[in-house]
Amino acid sequence: GAVVSQHPSWVICKSGTSVKIECRSLDFQATTMFWYRQFPKQSLMLMATSNEGSKATYEQGVEKDKFLINHASLTLSTLTVTSAHPEDSSFYICSAPSRSFRGESYEQYFGPGTRLTVT
Amino acid sequence: LAKTTQPISMDSYEGQEVNITCSHNNIATNDYITWYQQFPSQGPRFIIQGYKTKVTNEVASLFIPADRKSSTLSLPRVSLSDTAVYYCLVGVSYGGSQGNLIFGKGTKLSVKP
Repeated sequence: GAVVSQHPSWVICKSGTSVKIECRSLDFQATTMFWYRQFPKQSLMLMATSNEGSKATYEQGVEKDKFLINHASLTLSTLTVTSAHPEDSSFYICSAPSRSFRGESYEQYFGPGTRLTVT
Repeated sequence: LAKTTQPISMDSYEGQEVNITCSHNNIATNDYITWYQQFPSQGPRFIIQGYKTKVTNEVASLFIPADRKSSTLSLPRVSLSDTAVYYCLVGVSYGGSQGNLIFGKGTKLSVKP
């Protein structure tokens, strides 16, 4: 099946600094990717939809100036957490859709996630 | 997007068959039903997807009644490694801007020896 990678897998940064997380579709092209955030023992929360060549669409309550998303190519989307604070510490996961084996529908393929800790 | 309701948790023993049911009363005509498995500190992994009746693959079966207002994920002969959170998602077979997925709380399955 399709593979989505994320880099880094974990990162520790100091409060006030910015952190960039990369999401790549390795063997398929993705004009759209999705970014999620997951706090401990909670479900995934959709943050934004990343669109190749255009602006991202943010979910209600997600600060677009704090979580900068860039989708510059068909295989790469980046999420930059600007001026990070301890409350931004979380597990960030991206996903990209790809056609299912039978071609009848699409399946979402998720990256392995990035653990961000802000000290 | 249709909202889903699942049991918060389930317990089972190795070798048993586990059935997790998900309710999605507001499912739309074009919606597919997809189940994902998530282990701690990992991204969700696709298990199975279906539209109606029954779908089976190498790891699970998905049963969908005619009214499609619910679905049941069946895991045959579970093992300890099946301990995970299972999410049922309902949404349009991705197209355009409709592909984003809204996760419910999921079902935490605990398999005991």
